Amino acid sequence: EAQVTQNPRYLITVTGKKLTVTCSQNMNHEYMSWYRQDPGLGLRQIYYSMNVEVTDKGDVPEGYKVSRKEKRNFPLILESPSPNQTSLYFCASSPSLGDRYSYEQYFGPGTRLTVT
Amino acid sequence: EDQVTQSPEALRLQEGESSSLNCSYTVSGLRGLFWYRQDPGKGPEFLFTLYSAGEEKEKERLKATLTKKESFLHITAPKPEDSATYLCAGESGGSNYKLTFGKGTLLTVNP
Repeated sequence: EAQVTQNPRYLITVTGKKLTVTCSQNMNHEYMSWYRQDPGLGLRQIYYSMNVEVTDKGDVPEGYKVSRKEKRNFPLILESPSPNQTSLYFCASSPSLGDRYSYEQYFGPGTRLTVT
Repeated sequence: EDQVTQSPEALRLQEGESSSLNCSYTVSGLRGLFWYRQDPGKGPEFLFTLYSAGEEKEKERLKATLTKKESFLHITAPKPEDSATYLCAGESGGSNYKLTFGKGTLLTVNP
């Protein structure tokens, strides 16, 4: 089954304890992205990656790191989590980037993170 | 800065009562305008992509349209299973592939 998977789905952690949320897709997609979703603010892009070894900042990259060493994986790293990073996180992937046309993104099931 | 604004924030309809959701956008060099559906606790699910003003796309009871400043999602004779949050997003053009989402419209269809 074609899908985007995220782990863990739920995580409660404490301030300052480094964590990684994994994201993997089995559709051979070039483009991957991370979003956070907060009430009243909607979905905001954190980082995106156009292909392996190429990443770029979205609208809210502060406090996050990413890496794209393999095409299928795009982990989100919080080096020193803070309570304001409590949120619902989504990973997404897209078939490719066209000069003219956009391609829809396929979203994972989400990771609910609580930082105390 | 790219912006996408959706209205209304929430809409309650009776089953069979048609209506429209609005998405106003200012996105640099718009490459594509997307509509997604999101059910509670789940990731957004793709509905449509629109590329140029005047374009329309349909799927079952939904029709999406695009002008140079807005997009509309028309819902004809909705059913309770159409209840969800509908998200609009614009992808910027050039070498910048950023996607900007609106805050969504929460649609409730009562039987």
